[in-house]
Amino acid sequence: DAKTTQPNSMESNEEEPVHLPCNHSTISGTDYIHWYRQLPSQGPEYVIHGLTSNVNNRMASLAIAEDRKSSTLILHRATLRDAAVYYCILRDVFLRGAQKLVFGQGTRLTINP
Amino acid sequence: EAGVVQSPRYKIIEKKQPVAFWCNPISGHNTLYWYLQNLGQGPELLIRYENEEAVDDSQLPKDRFSAERLKGVDSTLKIQPAELGDSAVYLCASSLETSYEQYFGPGTRLTVT
Repeated sequence: DAKTTQPNSMESNEEEPVHLPCNHSTISGTDYIHWYRQLPSQGPEYVIHGLTSNVNNRMASLAIAEDRKSSTLILHRATLRDAAVYYCILRDVFLRGAQKLVFGQGTRLTINP
Repeated sequence: EAGVVQSPRYKIIEKKQPVAFWCNPISGHNTLYWYLQNLGQGPELLIRYENEEAVDDSQLPKDRFSAERLKGVDSTLKIQPAELGDSAVYLCASSLETSYEQYFGPGTRLTVT
């Protein structure tokens, strides 16, 4: 499984944008970049995913470097409810059907009021 | 739509005792996962089912752990006998076979004393 590297922790203020980085220098051409987050005392939840182009949804945006060796999850206006551990995960698009998720340690995001 | 349901949410047992965790996946999801999450770490896959079939159980410690998914719906994960090192959160997730997105339950926090 290709490896991802994330900072252990980050801190931001409420209502400010947050940029969460992820390095994946050994990414293969068939790997999608997925982000999940885990709120306190809950299971992980899907946030967003992408392959090459930047992606937007109601929760966040995903900016992918041109060489695909890094990506950034962007929370445009953080709220206290966004305090969580954020995981960057690679998944091979060509593997058949459902696959396990290989989690790293993730980034613990703290939001200050 | 109901999410993934797990019970119990918390369990405290003495070492060498048996314990069982139950999971009810989202209706229609044919793929079910059990993950183990140690404190401060990301979840790790224990076993993955497609319908009734365990298709990936390579990380399941088979000397003391067992799992079943009768009729391809609910699943039970059992530990017998439990050891102190089994203290962790046990997460259940489900997905459609063709989907990239996994839906997690809240987990069962096990404490072995």
